[in-house]
Amino acid sequence: SQQGEEDPQALSIQEGENATMNCSYKTSINNLQWYRQNSGRGLVHLILIRSNEREKHSGRLRVTLDTSKKSSSLLITASRAADTASYFCATESTGSGNTGKLIFGQGTTLQVKP
Amino acid sequence: EAQVTQNPRYLITVTGKKLTVTCSQNMNHEYMSWYRQDPGLGLRQIYYSMNVEVTDKGDVPEGYKVSRKEKRNFPLILESPSPNQTSLYFCASRAGGGETQYFGPGTRLLVL
Repeated sequence: SQQGEEDPQALSIQEGENATMNCSYKTSINNLQWYRQNSGRGLVHLILIRSNEREKHSGRLRVTLDTSKKSSSLLITASRAADTASYFCATESTGSGNTGKLIFGQGTTLQVKP
Repeated sequence: EAQVTQNPRYLITVTGKKLTVTCSQNMNHEYMSWYRQDPGLGLRQIYYSMNVEVTDKGDVPEGYKVSRKEKRNFPLILESPSPNQTSLYFCASRAGGGETQYFGPGTRLLVL
């Protein structure tokens, strides 16, 4: 079952603006990961945040995690046309044992206009 | 370069004709898995493997088989493909004690 719900489903912004995407989940998690997918191609790992972390940065990316609300957000600052892609959150639940199973959200499609 | 590779990248086949999608990783990862991605359903795990000769079902294993004879390879086998297996397939790997999963480039399969 897909426990990740992402919001918005689609986002269109101008180059240079910030983009914020949200993800909600249902179960207790070990970690939450964000991936990028360009137009039906491969998944590129962006950033991982553990359940005991609240915020993490990587370059122009900032991820927050609120385990009490079971939600996360991904902020891309100073967006570029090359950031145009679909973004997915994926959770590894505490109940997954050693299966390593990731449960993916439906994704947010980001369009950055030049 | 550390990577997960899949072959073929694109495949068109007919119902009932057995096919294999190969997956290989060069990172010496213990854990490997297969996902399929479908519009409106997102990515769902098909099978996973914790190590050589250790495999188990994911959420949607029906119609698929896997094997893990070597650490680096984890082929996905469709013994008798059906049109509902038309999808985009991803292989992923992860180190035994790690958290980050690395995905292959995907295999787009069309079953007529």
